[in-house]
Amino acid sequence: EVQLLESGGGLVQPGGSLRLSCAASGFTFRSSPMTWVRQAPGKGLEWVSTFSGTTSNTYYADSVKGRFTISRDNSANTLYLQMNSLRVDDTAIYYCAKDWNFGYWGQGTLVTVSS
Amino acid sequence: DIVMTQSPLSLPVTLGQPASISCRSSQSLVHSDGNIYLNWFQQRPGQSPRRLIYEVSNRDSGVPDRFSGSGSDTDFTLKISRVEAEDVGVYYCMQGTQWPRTFGQGTKVEIK
Repeated sequence: EVQLLESGGGLVQPGGSLRLSCAASGFTFRSSPMTWVRQAPGKGLEWVSTFSGTTSNTYYADSVKGRFTISRDNSANTLYLQMNSLRVDDTAIYYCAKDWNFGYWGQGTLVTVSS
Repeated sequence: DIVMTQSPLSLPVTLGQPASISCRSSQSLVHSDGNIYLNWFQQRPGQSPRRLIYEVSNRDSGVPDRFSGSGSDTDFTLKISRVEAEDVGVYYCMQGTQWPRTFGQGTKVEIK
Protein backbone atom coordinates (compact mmCIF):
# COMPACT_ATOMS: atom_id res chain seq x y z
CA GLU A 1 0.00 0.00 0.00
CA VAL A 2 1.39 3.39 -0.99
CA GLN A 3 1.84 5.70 1.98
CA LEU A 4 3.08 9.29 2.05
CA LEU A 5 3.57 11.03 5.37
CA GLU A 6 4.47 14.72 5.48
CA SER A 7 6.02 16.45 8.47
CA GLY A 8 7.92 19.59 9.38
CA GLY A 9 5.18 22.19 9.15
CA GLY A 10 4.66 24.87 11.74
CA LEU A 11 4.57 28.56 12.50
CA VAL A 12 7.42 30.70 11.15
CA GLN A 13 7.99 34.42 10.83
CA PRO A 14 8.19 36.16 7.46
CA GLY A 15 11.71 35.80 6.10
CA GLY A 16 12.26 32.58 8.00
CA SER A 17 13.00 29.04 6.83
CA LEU A 18 11.41 25.63 7.20
CA ARG A 19 12.17 22.16 5.89
CA LEU A 20 9.36 19.78 5.04
CA SER A 21 9.76 16.02 4.78
CA CYS A 22 7.66 13.36 3.06
CA ALA A 23 8.32 9.78 4.12
CA ALA A 24 7.29 7.29 1.46
CA SER A 25 6.57 3.57 1.61
CA GLY A 26 4.83 0.86 -0.36
CA PHE A 27 6.48 1.50 -3.72
CA THR A 28 9.89 1.85 -5.39
CA PHE A 29 10.67 5.38 -4.30
CA ARG A 30 13.92 5.90 -6.21
CA SER A 31 12.25 5.53 -9.60
CA SER A 32 9.16 7.57 -8.85
CA PRO A 33 8.78 11.29 -9.64
CA MET A 34 7.65 13.16 -6.55
CA THR A 35 5.90 16.47 -6.19
CA TRP A 36 4.90 19.13 -3.68
CA VAL A 37 1.47 20.77 -4.05
CA ARG A 38 0.09 23.40 -1.71
CA GLN A 39 -3.32 24.73 -0.78
CA ALA A 40 -3.77 28.09 0.91
CA PRO A 41 -6.60 28.28 3.46
CA GLY A 42 -9.95 28.10 1.66
CA LYS A 43 -8.28 28.18 -1.76
CA GLY A 44 -7.52 25.80 -4.61
CA LEU A 45 -4.54 23.60 -5.38
CA GLU A 46 -1.21 25.02 -6.56
CA TRP A 47 1.67 22.94 -7.91
CA VAL A 48 4.94 23.88 -6.21
CA SER A 49 7.78 21.62 -7.35
CA THR A 50 8.60 18.22 -8.82
CA PHE A 51 11.70 16.02 -8.62
CA SER A 52 12.01 13.44 -11.36
CA GLY A 53 12.55 9.77 -10.64
CA THR A 54 15.27 8.29 -12.79
CA THR A 55 17.04 11.57 -13.58
CA SER A 56 17.82 14.51 -11.31
CA ASN A 57 15.59 17.02 -13.05
CA THR A 58 13.76 19.48 -10.85
CA TYR A 59 10.93 21.84 -11.69
CA TYR A 60 9.58 24.83 -9.79
CA ALA A 61 6.63 27.20 -9.89
CA ASP A 62 7.68 30.79 -10.56
CA SER A 63 6.19 31.78 -7.20
CA VAL A 64 8.83 29.74 -5.31
CA LYS A 65 11.78 29.65 -7.70
CA GLY A 66 14.96 30.82 -6.00
CA ARG A 67 13.44 30.45 -2.52
CA PHE A 68 12.44 26.76 -2.31
CA THR A 69 14.61 23.71 -3.03
CA ILE A 70 13.27 20.21 -3.60
CA SER A 71 15.50 17.25 -2.86
CA ARG A 72 15.25 13.55 -2.13
CA ASP A 73 17.13 10.86 -0.24
CA ASN A 74 16.46 7.60 -2.03
CA SER A 75 18.22 5.59 0.68
CA ALA A 76 15.73 6.95 3.23
CA ASN A 77 12.70 6.97 0.89
CA THR A 78 12.16 10.61 1.76
CA LEU A 79 11.34 13.75 -0.20
CA TYR A 80 12.20 17.20 1.12
CA LEU A 81 11.26 20.80 0.53
CA GLN A 82 13.61 23.44 1.90
CA MET A 83 11.72 26.72 2.13
CA ASN A 84 13.68 29.94 2.61
CA SER A 85 12.68 33.61 2.61
CA LEU A 86 9.14 32.60 3.53
CA ARG A 87 6.34 35.07 2.88
CA VAL A 88 2.87 35.40 4.35
CA ASP A 89 1.38 34.14 1.07
CA ASP A 90 3.32 30.86 1.44
CA THR A 91 0.87 29.94 4.22
CA ALA A 92 -0.77 26.71 3.12
CA ILE A 93 -1.15 23.00 3.62
CA TYR A 94 1.71 21.34 1.76
CA TYR A 95 1.03 17.93 0.24
CA CYS A 96 3.47 15.53 -1.33
CA ALA A 97 2.23 13.47 -4.25
CA LYS A 98 3.55 10.52 -6.22
CA ASP A 99 4.15 10.22 -9.97
CA TRP A 100 4.04 12.73 -12.81
CA ASN A 101 0.28 13.01 -12.52
CA PHE A 102 -0.16 12.86 -8.73
CA GLY A 103 -1.68 9.42 -8.37
CA TYR A 104 -1.25 9.32 -4.58
CA TRP A 105 -1.25 12.10 -1.97
CA GLY A 106 -0.21 12.43 1.63
CA GLN A 107 -2.33 13.98 4.37
CA GLY A 108 -0.46 17.28 4.24
CA THR A 109 1.41 19.47 6.71
CA LEU A 110 0.38 23.02 7.59
CA VAL A 111 2.83 25.88 7.18
CA THR A 112 1.84 29.21 8.70
CA VAL A 113 3.93 32.29 7.95
CA SER A 114 3.01 35.09 10.30
CA SER A 115 4.58 37.64 12.60
CA ASP B 1 1.41 28.88 -18.74
CA ILE B 2 -1.65 26.79 -19.60
CA VAL B 3 -4.76 28.19 -17.93
CA MET B 4 -7.38 25.65 -16.86
CA THR B 5 -10.92 27.00 -16.62
CA GLN B 6 -13.65 24.99 -14.92
CA SER B 7 -17.39 25.52 -15.02
CA PRO B 8 -19.55 25.74 -13.13
CA LEU B 9 -17.70 26.72 -9.96
CA SER B 10 -20.66 25.64 -7.83
CA LEU B 11 -22.89 22.69 -8.64
CA PRO B 12 -25.92 21.89 -6.46
CA VAL B 13 -27.22 18.45 -7.39
CA THR B 14 -30.06 16.17 -6.37
CA LEU B 15 -29.15 12.75 -5.03
CA GLY B 16 -29.42 10.15 -7.76
CA GLN B 17 -29.25 12.71 -10.55
CA PRO B 18 -26.37 13.17 -12.99
CA ALA B 19 -23.77 15.92 -12.75
CA SER B 20 -21.27 17.29 -15.24
CA ILE B 21 -18.20 19.51 -14.84
CA SER B 22 -16.43 21.18 -17.73
CA CYS B 23 -12.71 21.94 -17.92
CA ARG B 24 -11.17 23.94 -20.74
CA SER B 25 -7.46 24.53 -21.32
CA SER B 26 -5.98 27.63 -22.95
CA GLN B 27 -3.77 25.43 -25.15
CA SER B 28 -3.94 21.95 -26.56
CA LEU B 29 -3.05 19.28 -23.98
CA VAL B 30 -1.75 16.84 -26.57
CA HIS B 31 1.79 15.96 -25.47
CA SER B 32 4.62 15.37 -27.93
CA ASP B 33 4.29 11.65 -27.10
CA GLY B 34 0.68 11.72 -28.36
CA ASN B 35 -0.94 11.33 -24.96
CA ILE B 36 -3.23 13.85 -23.24
CA TYR B 37 -2.32 14.35 -19.60
CA LEU B 38 -5.60 15.64 -18.20
CA ASN B 39 -6.45 14.50 -14.71
CA TRP B 40 -9.41 14.91 -12.36
CA PHE B 41 -9.17 15.07 -8.57
CA GLN B 42 -11.76 14.92 -5.83
CA GLN B 43 -11.27 16.64 -2.48
CA ARG B 44 -13.87 15.73 0.11
CA PRO B 45 -14.33 18.13 3.05
CA GLY B 46 -11.37 17.94 5.41
CA GLN B 47 -9.49 15.40 3.28
CA SER B 48 -6.50 15.33 0.97
CA PRO B 49 -7.14 15.36 -2.77
CA ARG B 50 -7.59 12.01 -4.48
CA ARG B 51 -7.11 11.34 -8.16
CA LEU B 52 -10.20 9.94 -9.90
CA ILE B 53 -9.30 10.05 -13.58
CA TYR B 54 -5.98 10.18 -15.45
CA GLU B 55 -5.22 10.73 -19.14
CA VAL B 56 -8.73 12.06 -19.81
CA SER B 57 -10.76 8.92 -19.28
CA ASN B 58 -8.94 6.27 -17.20
CA ARG B 59 -10.46 5.64 -13.78
CA ASP B 60 -8.08 5.09 -10.90
CA SER B 61 -8.29 1.90 -8.87
CA GLY B 62 -11.25 1.90 -6.48
CA VAL B 63 -13.06 4.77 -8.20
CA PRO B 64 -16.76 3.94 -8.72
CA ASP B 65 -17.82 3.51 -12.33
CA ARG B 66 -20.40 6.28 -11.97
CA PHE B 67 -17.44 8.62 -12.57
CA SER B 68 -16.34 9.05 -16.17
CA GLY B 69 -14.05 11.41 -18.03
CA SER B 70 -14.07 12.44 -21.66
CA GLY B 71 -12.77 15.07 -24.02
CA SER B 72 -9.95 15.97 -26.34
CA ASP B 73 -7.48 18.72 -27.20
CA THR B 74 -8.76 21.62 -25.03
CA ASP B 75 -12.22 20.59 -23.90
CA PHE B 76 -12.84 18.02 -21.16
CA THR B 77 -15.71 16.79 -19.01
CA LEU B 78 -16.12 14.88 -15.76
CA LYS B 79 -19.50 13.19 -15.38
CA ILE B 80 -21.12 11.58 -12.39
CA SER B 81 -23.94 9.37 -13.62
CA ARG B 82 -25.89 9.32 -10.33
CA VAL B 83 -24.68 11.54 -7.51
CA GLU B 84 -24.35 9.98 -4.08
CA ALA B 85 -23.90 11.73 -0.74
CA GLU B 86 -20.23 10.73 -0.58
CA ASP B 87 -19.54 12.68 -3.80
CA VAL B 88 -19.85 16.01 -2.00
CA GLY B 89 -16.62 17.99 -2.26
CA VAL B 90 -14.51 20.03 -4.64
CA TYR B 91 -13.38 18.67 -8.00
CA TYR B 92 -10.27 19.89 -9.81
CA CYS B 93 -8.93 19.28 -13.27
CA MET B 94 -5.17 19.46 -13.79
CA GLN B 95 -2.94 19.35 -16.85
CA GLY B 96 0.25 17.30 -16.75
CA THR B 97 1.31 18.01 -20.33
CA GLN B 98 3.43 21.13 -19.81
CA TRP B 99 5.42 22.82 -17.06
CA PRO B 100 4.24 24.41 -14.89
CA ARG B 101 1.51 21.99 -13.92
CA THR B 102 -1.74 23.91 -13.56
CA PHE B 103 -5.06 23.22 -11.88
CA GLY B 104 -8.54 24.50 -12.55
CA GLN B 105 -10.17 26.73 -9.91
CA GLY B 106 -12.24 23.86 -8.54
CA THR B 107 -15.96 23.02 -8.72
CA LYS B 108 -17.84 22.63 -5.47
CA VAL B 109 -20.43 19.85 -5.63
CA GLU B 110 -23.13 19.96 -2.98
CA ILE B 111 -26.46 18.27 -2.43
CA LYS B 112 -29.61 20.34 -2.98
